[in-house]
Amino acid sequence: AQSVSQHNHHVILSEAASLELGCNYSYGGTVNLFWYVQYPGQHLQLLLKYFSGDPLVKGIKGFEAEFIKSKFSFNLRKPSVQWSDTAEYFCAANGSSNTGKLIFGQGTTLQVKP
Amino acid sequence: DADVTQTPRNRITKTGKRIMLECSQTKGHDRMYWYRQDPGLGLRLIYYSFDVKDINKGEISDGYSVSRQAQAKFSLSLESAIPNQTALYFCATSDRAVGAGEQYFGPGTRLTVT
Repeated sequence: AQSVSQHNHHVILSEAASLELGCNYSYGGTVNLFWYVQYPGQHLQLLLKYFSGDPLVKGIKGFEAEFIKSKFSFNLRKPSVQWSDTAEYFCAANGSSNTGKLIFGQGTTLQVKP
Repeated sequence: DADVTQTPRNRITKTGKRIMLECSQTKGHDRMYWYRQDPGLGLRLIYYSFDVKDINKGEISDGYSVSRQAQAKFSLSLESAIPNQTALYFCATSDRAVGAGEQYFGPGTRLTVT
């Protein structure tokens, strides 16, 4: 069955600390991968995406993610977090057949302490 | 103005009542989706529509119905609301040309069924 798993449910960091949020997927065939972010009180917005090509993708606000096919992973990273990065982060996947059916992970709540 | 709008933003209703959540978009996208978000479960797909005449069930469609009144409008109905339908509901859109995984979300409707 297709699934996306996020291992860290709640992460607390101090400002300037480095961030890595784990995401693993189980998907038959070619997969497209995404990270969405939901700031407090706001709607989800796309942080970054991977369709093909360079496995290291850069997104908005200094975030990046690395697709490692052999590990079925797409971890999100940021070298130095800010208080404004406090949000909930969702990893998501869909098949390259472009059906539009996104499968979301459970979400990781990140709290950054000033 | 927001590209994807949802009404109402908050709603409290009683068990057994019929309720409709509405979604409108100005992005000109063909594809529209309804998700529900529950703590610890991420977002789960309820229904999706690739155009006015194409509506499909998602992962958790039982107890819900939808109507695609026009390209820009996609409504979600709970025919007889029950307490476990208490959740945050999101509408989303995507452009067929860009890739269906890159979705644009509305602000959400917080529904409470008592």
